[in-house]
Amino acid sequence: DAGVIQSPRHEVTEMGQEVTLRCKPISGHNSLFWYRQTMMRGLELLIYFNNNVPIDDSGMPEDRFSAKMPNASFSTLKIQPSEPRDSAVYFCASSFGTTVSYEQYFGPGTRLTVT
Amino acid sequence: AQSVAQPEDQVNVAEGNPLTVKCTYSVSGNPYLFWYVQYPNRGLQFLLKYITGDNLVKGSYGFEAEFNKSQTSFHLKKPSALVSDSALYFCAVGISNFGNEKLTFGTGTRLTIIP
Repeated sequence: DAGVIQSPRHEVTEMGQEVTLRCKPISGHNSLFWYRQTMMRGLELLIYFNNNVPIDDSGMPEDRFSAKMPNASFSTLKIQPSEPRDSAVYFCASSFGTTVSYEQYFGPGTRLTVT
Repeated sequence: AQSVAQPEDQVNVAEGNPLTVKCTYSVSGNPYLFWYVQYPNRGLQFLLKYITGDNLVKGSYGFEAEFNKSQTSFHLKKPSALVSDSALYFCAVGISNFGNEKLTFGTGTRLTIIP
């Protein structure tokens, strides 16, 4: 199994530009999570989906952030417009079940730098 | 609300000595507890979990953790540390809350094994 796949691995963009991060979960997994990791705030859950449906987006910082999961094998996290404070490592994770008892499998992350 | 605390930002252990990484939690209800490990420039990797049953849980790479309900703790342990165990360790807690279930992660403990 290839594991959770994220692209791009690194993204450098200028303030004000649109950024799209992509994630392919493990085949057969029913839940997908987007996290952000920074030194200051640690690991934060942004949003998660069960069976392609958004369940909790309370961690999304503001309206500049949006996430979609059009099918079971693909999800995107979009930032528009981007700001320097969005610089972080963004992780996608997936799990087999839809309850919290199932372990999550993390992708390698996308390191975003906004200048 | 659920929360988890990792009181030590940094733990240093000599190779071959036993190691302990501490974690305490706070939830309303029965907790699901997890340990994850993160190596440099990688995503988090599942180590072990407690859902129910035996309080001593064994996981990957010789790690184990003990669920202590009275002390609300879930400390990670290993009898003999290896240099390759050096990494960032995260404790996480969740509860069964039908319809909206997510993990809350601690701030992480950096474990350094000294040769």
